[in-house]
Amino acid sequence: DTGVSQNPRHKITKRGQNVTFRCDPISEHNRLYWYRQTLGQGPEFLTYFQNEAQLEKSRLLSDRFSAERPKGSFSTLEIQRTEQGDSAMYLCASSPRGTVMHEQYFGPGTRLTVT
Amino acid sequence: RKEVEQDPGPFNVPEGATVAFNCTYSNSASQSFFWYRQDCRKEPKLLMSVYSSGNEDGRFTAQLNRASQYISLLIRDSKLSDSATYLCVPSGTDKLIFGTGTRLQVFP
Repeated sequence: DTGVSQNPRHKITKRGQNVTFRCDPISEHNRLYWYRQTLGQGPEFLTYFQNEAQLEKSRLLSDRFSAERPKGSFSTLEIQRTEQGDSAMYLCASSPRGTVMHEQYFGPGTRLTVT
Repeated sequence: RKEVEQDPGPFNVPEGATVAFNCTYSNSASQSFFWYRQDCRKEPKLLMSVYSSGNEDGRFTAQLNRASQYISLLIRDSKLSDSATYLCVPSGTDKLIFGTGTRLQVFP
């Protein structure tokens, strides 16, 4: 399977704990995006990378959130001191670079539940 | 004005029906447009890309009106498997902008 993969698929954690999610993009795609989606809403942009450079962060991304893509391949999203409001589906997507915005292909997501 | 506006539905239609969804967007600089479908508790999957005035793929037709800043999706001969949420997605500068989507339910 050469699609976007994400791990873990589900994560249940207690409030105050730290969690880390991983995303492996499609191999030839150099752009990687993180989104968050809650029930009844569309995905909300969090941040994106072009190769290893983090080029934009949403205001939704509080200082408890950090994302990395150290070698320009896989990426991690860490949430520190989780809160119940962090419960959501965290989606990763990748796309090739181009002069116009290309299609983004999504991974299956990591569903986070904070108790 | 919201960046993307879609009628949330649900649209309940019988098999074989033709159904159309409209979407308006606020960013006149958007150059690329996409329709994604999303099944319950699954990731969005790309349905169609629209770079010019429209696109057609089998039973699905997308049309873009840049002057009025709206995009439509037409589904002909609806199938039960078309039941999903359809997300209209114009591009931003470096990211996609998702609305809340339109829910379609096709019944036998």
